[in-house]
Amino acid sequence: AQKVTQAQTEISVVEKEDVTLDCVYETRDTTYYLFWYKQPPSGELVFLIRRNSFDEQNEISGRYSWNFQKSTSSFNFTITASQVVDSAVYFCALNPDQAGTALIFGKGTTLSVSS
Amino acid sequence: DAGVIQSPRHEVTEMGQEVTLRCKPISGHNSLFWYRQTMMRGLELLIYFNNNVPIDDSGMPEDRFSAKMPNASFSTLKIQPSEPRDSAVYFCASSSGTGVIVTDTQYFGPGTRLTVL
Repeated sequence: AQKVTQAQTEISVVEKEDVTLDCVYETRDTTYYLFWYKQPPSGELVFLIRRNSFDEQNEISGRYSWNFQKSTSSFNFTITASQVVDSAVYFCALNPDQAGTALIFGKGTTLSVSS
Repeated sequence: DAGVIQSPRHEVTEMGQEVTLRCKPISGHNSLFWYRQTMMRGLELLIYFNNNVPIDDSGMPEDRFSAKMPNASFSTLKIQPSEPRDSAVYFCASSSGTGVIVTDTQYFGPGTRLTVL
């Protein structure tokens, strides 16, 4: 079965705290792609990152970093020194190579950053 | 470059009416997707086109839903007749996949919030 689990439904932090959003996926494919999207209160879905299953290097982009571990089927997302503008729903998604086209989304984690 | 464009952004209609949602993909992208987002079911794929041809419509709920892509720059999703349970946010996304199996990044439009009374 192809599945994405985001066990954290809601997280609340205070500005400048670091926060990690967890993502665990299931797939039998050897080639697959993982994504993170951000959905701010305005409602649009903003692409953050795409990783393929053969690239386990961690990625850092400003305050954002991603940790991909195939051994634990996890693709976690860390925001360093969180800001109020980071408040949003964050979705992890899986695109298994052999399953066609659909992005399989997790249920999302709502992050609230207070000042 | 312009992103994916969707119209209308909000639609309120009465049960039984026909609803048409519109999407313009990113220029040069050859794959187009319609997703629906609800609280109960989250984000789910409705239908996917590659080079204007419907490839996977297994997510279309029932015959009341239909989608077309008459050319590379325009797609519609139609609901007729609409029902209250169709109330959701409908997203269009596009990507530049080169094959039927798409693994390139999908970029989403702003969505259409549909309310059926």
